[in-house]
Order: sequence, then C-alpha cells, then structure tokens
Amino acid sequence: AQSVTQLGSHVSVSEGALVLLRCNYSSSVPPYLFWYVQYPNQGLQLLLKYTTGATLVKGINGFEAEFKKSETSFHLTKPSAHMSDAAEYFCAVIVTGGFKTIFGAGTRLFVKA
Amino acid sequence: DAGVTQSPTHLIKTRGQQVTLRCSPISGHKSVSWYQQVLGQGPQFIFQYYEKEERGRGNFPDRFSARQFPNYSSELNVNALLLGDSALYLCASSLGPGQPNQPQHFGDGTRLSIL
Repeated sequence: AQSVTQLGSHVSVSEGALVLLRCNYSSSVPPYLFWYVQYPNQGLQLLLKYTTGATLVKGINGFEAEFKKSETSFHLTKPSAHMSDAAEYFCAVIVTGGFKTIFGAGTRLFVKA
Repeated sequence: DAGVTQSPTHLIKTRGQQVTLRCSPISGHKSVSWYQQVLGQGPQFIFQYYEKEERGRGNFPDRFSARQFPNYSSELNVNALLLGDSALYLCASSLGPGQPNQPQHFGDGTRLSIL
C-alpha cells in the first residue's frame, strides 16, 4: 500500500534561512508525488509535482523538490525563507489509477523575523 | 475563471443530525473528490466521482454518501452526525482520474462543527 510520512510536525526557520521539509513515501510502483501548501482557513494550493522525467522539480514561490528513488524521498526546499511562507505543507502521493490521493500529516512552517 | 466553490463555508450541527455539503468544480473539470481534514491532520480521502459515477471510496462508514450531477457539481451527505465528524471538508476538482499531470484544484472547504 502507498503511504506518505512527513518528518517533523513543526519546523521553525529564520527569515532568509534555508527551508527543508522532509517527506518519505512508500510505494510498490513509480509514484506520482506532490507538495501542497495550506494557509489558514483556506484550501490546498499545489506547489509542485513529480510524475515522470526530471527528478528535480521546480514549483511556485521559489520552492523545489528532488525525487530520490533510492531514498524513497521527496523533500521540499527553498533557499531563502520569507515571512509569507509561514503555512502548513502537505506531501501527497497519488494511488495508481488516479482515484485517490494520500496525504501526509503535514508540517507547519514557522518563519521568524 | 472561478475556482472550486464550496457551500456553506461554516456549519454547526448537533449529534444525530444530517448535513449536505455542496461543491461546484472548475468549469471543464469532470472529476470531483471529497476529503475530510480533522484539525492538525492531513486530508483523508472520502470519495471520488467522475462522470457521475463513484470511482473511488476511502475508509469511511456508510453514513457518508455523495453524488455528482449532470453539471458535474457534487454533494456530500453525512447522516447521524457524530462529534468526530467535526472537520474541514474539502472538495477538489480535476479534469479526470488517472491523469496525474492534471493536478487537483481545491476549494476553501466547509468547516463543520458538531455540538
């Protein structure tokens, strides 16, 4: 069965520092992987996705993620954190067939001035 | 273009009651999925509908049901409400299942509180 594990329910960084949010997946077949962001009282917004091809994926707002099959990881990074990046981030995998998306428990990012 | 719209935005019910939540997908999207997001957790898949047929169902009791209309809008019904049903209910639309290159677009959700 496919699953997603996000390491760290809370991450705190200083403004301008590197952001690293960790995600590991479990899948018996090549996965389709996603990162979403959720601001308070809002739905989820897609940051980036990996389906096939290039393993380094660039998304919106300066975020990127690298698919590493050998490590079953899809960590999200951003070189320099902004105050506006403070939000909840979810890693997700689509079950083969596309009928179901499985989300991780989420990581709340705090950005300190 | 309008995004995914959900109504109502907030709802308060008491235990044992029934509730209906509504979702209108992005124009041109034929697939609608429903998720339950309990406070502090990630969204949990409830249903996916495509072309008015149920294509996927999560691990939820039969108290949860849904349907999709000819205009691709959808309703989620929950009967015999329990305190544990308190959550943010999210609707997402996409062109269709099995197309991971076409991501899901989420509405802002309906916040359901059970007293």
